[in-house]
Amino acid sequence: EAGVAQSPRYKIIEKRQSVAFWCNPISGHATLYWYQQILGQGPKLLIQFQNNGVVDDSQLPKDRFSAERLKGVDSTLKIQPAKLEDSAVYLCASSLDSTGSYEQYFGPGTRLTVT
Amino acid sequence: DQQVKQNSPSLSVQEGRISILNCDYTNSMFDYFLWYKKYPAEGPTFLISISSIKDKNEDGRFTVFLNKSAKHLSLHIVPSQPGDSAVYFCAASPSGSARQLTFGSGTQLTVLP
Repeated sequence: EAGVAQSPRYKIIEKRQSVAFWCNPISGHATLYWYQQILGQGPKLLIQFQNNGVVDDSQLPKDRFSAERLKGVDSTLKIQPAKLEDSAVYLCASSLDSTGSYEQYFGPGTRLTVT
Repeated sequence: DQQVKQNSPSLSVQEGRISILNCDYTNSMFDYFLWYKKYPAEGPTFLISISSIKDKNEDGRFTVFLNKSAKHLSLHIVPSQPGDSAVYFCAASPSGSARQLTFGSGTQLTVLP
C-alpha cells in the first residue's frame, strides 16, 4: 500500500513570495489533515478535510493560508504572502474517516524556509 | 496554552535497558492517547495507543500506561535498541471529536550501543 505522498520535499522562498504544497493521501482515506511543525515543537493542526469538505479550519491563518481538496483526493496548501515565521515543516496526514480509527498516517513533509 | 506536555526534550538510555518517556495533559476531555515515532526527514509513524477506559496497553516491547487521575501517560520500551533512537511524540484526542490530535513537543530518545 502506497503511503501519503507530498511534494516538494524542500522549498526556499523569500518573504512576501507565495508557495504551494501538494499532498496525495492513502487511497480510500476520506479524511485529510494539514499540520505545521515548527522546529522544536509538535505538529499543529491547520485544517481537516472530510472528502472535499472542511471539517475544521479554525487554526488556519486565513489571511495568508488557503487549502483545497476539490475532488476529495489530492490537496493543496498555499501560503501567500509568506512570512519569516512560516518557516516550518508542513505535514500532510490521512485517515480512513473522521469517526473511526484515531490513527493518522503521515507523509514525509515539506520543509519550508522563508528568508 | 500547551494542553499536551512532554517536559523532557531528550533522553539517553543504554541498549538493553528500559526507556521511559513521559507525557502530561491538562484537558480532561481527552479520552484517547497515541504515541508516534519520528525519524529525521520522515513523517511521524504510529506506535501505540490507549483509550481512557484502560490503564495499560502492550504491544511487543512497547507498553503505554495511563493515569487519568494524574493526567499522565508514559511509554515504556523494553529492551531498548539502537533503532529506537528517534523523536517520540505524545498525542491526545478529545471525546466526540472528529479524531483531531493535539501533539506534545516531543522527546528525542537516544539508545547508546
